[in-house]
Amino acid sequence: AQSVTQLDSQVPVFEEAPVELRCNYSSSVSVYLFWYVQYPNQGLQLLLKYLSGSTLVKGINGFEAEFNKSQTSFHLRKPSVHISDTAEYFCAVSDQSGSGGGADGLTFGKGTHLIIQP
Amino acid sequence: GAGVSQTPSNKVTEKGKYVELRCDPISGHTALYWYRQSLGQGPEFLIYFQGTGAADDSGLPNDRFFAVRPEGSVSTLKIQRTERGDSAVYLCASSSRGHTEAFFGQGTRLTVV
Repeated sequence: AQSVTQLDSQVPVFEEAPVELRCNYSSSVSVYLFWYVQYPNQGLQLLLKYLSGSTLVKGINGFEAEFNKSQTSFHLRKPSVHISDTAEYFCAVSDQSGSGGGADGLTFGKGTHLIIQP
Repeated sequence: GAGVSQTPSNKVTEKGKYVELRCDPISGHTALYWYRQSLGQGPEFLIYFQGTGAADDSGLPNDRFFAVRPEGSVSTLKIQRTERGDSAVYLCASSSRGHTEAFFGQGTRLTVV
């Protein structure tokens, strides 16, 4: 079984400032890691994913995340945020041994609401 | 279709009634997932289909919840004797076998009054 902790329920940031959204996970097996974004009244959209290889993963809209196995973390960062980044961000994990190649049964955190202040 | 389609987008029902929520996955996607997202929470896994069969239904909360995918494409989530606690957004996602990205629909917002 896995669990995901997003420590911050809300993160207010000024426009053009950098941001980091924190994610820690717990698992007894190897996992794949994901960040999803949910804009108001829209479905979940994949921002980026870590499967293997380089621990620094780049995604859409200028976001990146770094996998740290020793700290079991997968924090999301953006060097300069825009008002359009206002959304709910979810960190998720899945079991690497899943028969579907890793997209099985995602376990999500509770989400972090990123609020961009002008 | 171009994306995962869920109908209806909103459903209001009375306590004790039966409801069906429909998911039409991306064409060709063999894997289909149902999640439930309560207010202020992340999505919670309910059930996973690979083809027509439920490969993992460990997330279904009780026997009032049931899901089918008879032809390996469209899926229906069925909830019997609805309770106010069932109110949530029900999300469907699909993916290609062996692929690691699940594509989500916009969800069905279920309100039990």
